[in-house]
Amino acid sequence: GQQVMQIPQYQHVQEGEDFTTYCNSSTTLSNIQWYKQRPGGHPVFLIQLVKSGEVKKQKRLTFQFGEAKKNSSLHITATQTTDVGTYFCAAARNQAGTALIFGKGTTLSVSS
Amino acid sequence: DTGVSQDPRHKITKRGQNVTFRCDPISEHNRLYWYRQTLGQGPEFLTYFQNEAQLEKSRLLSDRFSAERPKGSFSTLEIQRTEQGDSAMYLCASSLFSGLNTEAFFGQGTRLTVV
Repeated sequence: GQQVMQIPQYQHVQEGEDFTTYCNSSTTLSNIQWYKQRPGGHPVFLIQLVKSGEVKKQKRLTFQFGEAKKNSSLHITATQTTDVGTYFCAAARNQAGTALIFGKGTTLSVSS
Repeated sequence: DTGVSQDPRHKITKRGQNVTFRCDPISEHNRLYWYRQTLGQGPEFLTYFQNEAQLEKSRLLSDRFSAERPKGSFSTLEIQRTEQGDSAMYLCASSLFSGLNTEAFFGQGTRLTVV
C-alpha cells in the first residue's frame, strides 16, 4: 500500500538554528498535508500543498511540494522552543479521497 | 461547535473484554476517520466514512474491529476480545470533502490500556 517516509526520525537543535524534515513517496501524490503534534496533544493541521513545485510560507515555516509530486519538505527558520513537537506529513493517493495516510513523523526538540 | 469530541478519554479494560468508543465530528463534516497511534509512531489509518458509508478499511485491521456511523453523524469504534497489543491512542478526525481533500480536525483521542 501507499507509504510516506519521513526523515529524520528525531532532530535536536539549539534555539535559533534551522530545521528541515523531508517526506518521500514512491508513488505520485495528489496532495500532501502537514500536521504538528505537541507532546501529549493531537495532530493539528498546518498546511496543504496541491500543485507540483508549490511553495508556501507561514511566518518562519516554509513548505515545498516536489516537481514530481513525490516528495515534500518543511523548513523552519530560526527555531524557537514553541516549535517543539512532532511534525507529520500525510497524503492521499488521489483527490477522490482515499484515506489520508500519515508518515511516522519527525520529532523536534529545541534547547535554549 | 467545539470541534471533534471523543468519549471516553481513557479506558482501562481487561484482556478479552469488548470496548466501544464514540466520536462526534464537527457537525457539517461529511468525512470521519479513525486512526490508532502508539508511542513514537504516526497515526495509523483504520477506517473512514463519507456520510454513513464506510468507504475504506485498512487491510491490516483485525476482524475484531468494527466501526459504524449511523445517519452519518457520530461514529462508534468497537473492539471485541481485546488484546494487549490493542493498547494505543485511538484518534478520530473529521473533514469536509467536496471534491478536494481538506484539513482533518482531530479529537483529543481515547487512550486504551488493555491489562
